Amino acid sequence: GAVVSQHPSWVICKSGTSVKIECRSLDFQATTMFWYRQFPKQSLMLMATSNEGSKATYEQGVEKDKFLINHASLTLSTLTVTSAHPEDSSFYICSGGRQGSLFVGYEQYFGPGTRLTVT
Amino acid sequence: AQKVTQAQTEISVVEKEDVTLDCVYETRDTTYYLFWYKQPPSGELVFLIRRNSFDEQNEISGRYSWNFQKSTSSFNFTITASQVVDSAVYFCALSETRGSTLGRLYFGRGTQLTVWP
Repeated sequence: GAVVSQHPSWVICKSGTSVKIECRSLDFQATTMFWYRQFPKQSLMLMATSNEGSKATYEQGVEKDKFLINHASLTLSTLTVTSAHPEDSSFYICSGGRQGSLFVGYEQYFGPGTRLTVT
Repeated sequence: AQKVTQAQTEISVVEKEDVTLDCVYETRDTTYYLFWYKQPPSGELVFLIRRNSFDEQNEISGRYSWNFQKSTSSFNFTITASQVVDSAVYFCALSETRGSTLGRLYFGRGTQLTVWP
């Protein structure tokens, strides 16, 4: 199957600083990348959808100025958490997607996640 | 609107018992896809199965089996002879097939399965 990597796998930062998380599709071209956030013992919540070369589409309630998403190529998307606060501490998961066959549908491959702790 | 309901928040079983995780979904699409993912303590999502809406055949993969019933909008997951390594959070998800958010997944809240030795 296709592989998506995330870097870093975990990060601790101080309140007020910015953190960048990278999401790479290693062996396929991801026409779309999705960013999810997961708080402890909760489900995954979609933050934004990004298509290569265009602006990301954010879900309602997600601050686009705080969570900057760049999808500059078909294999790389980045999420920057600006001016991070303790309430931004969470598990961030990206996925890369591509259109499969009719029977397969849209294929989406998840990265291993990045655990962000803001102190 | 798309919605996935996993009514069971936590399930505990003893090793070798069979366990069924329930999943009920809502969608207006006639073509859609359903998924099950496993999330162990490490956090990485493990893909288990994808099922499209026009294939209602049940599927078995080793100790895992899935029962898809469009009539009741359910896609239940059964683990036979459970093992301690099956302990994880299991998510059911639904994906869209059209529009600007093609491919986005709607996740259920997840079911924490604990298998005791």
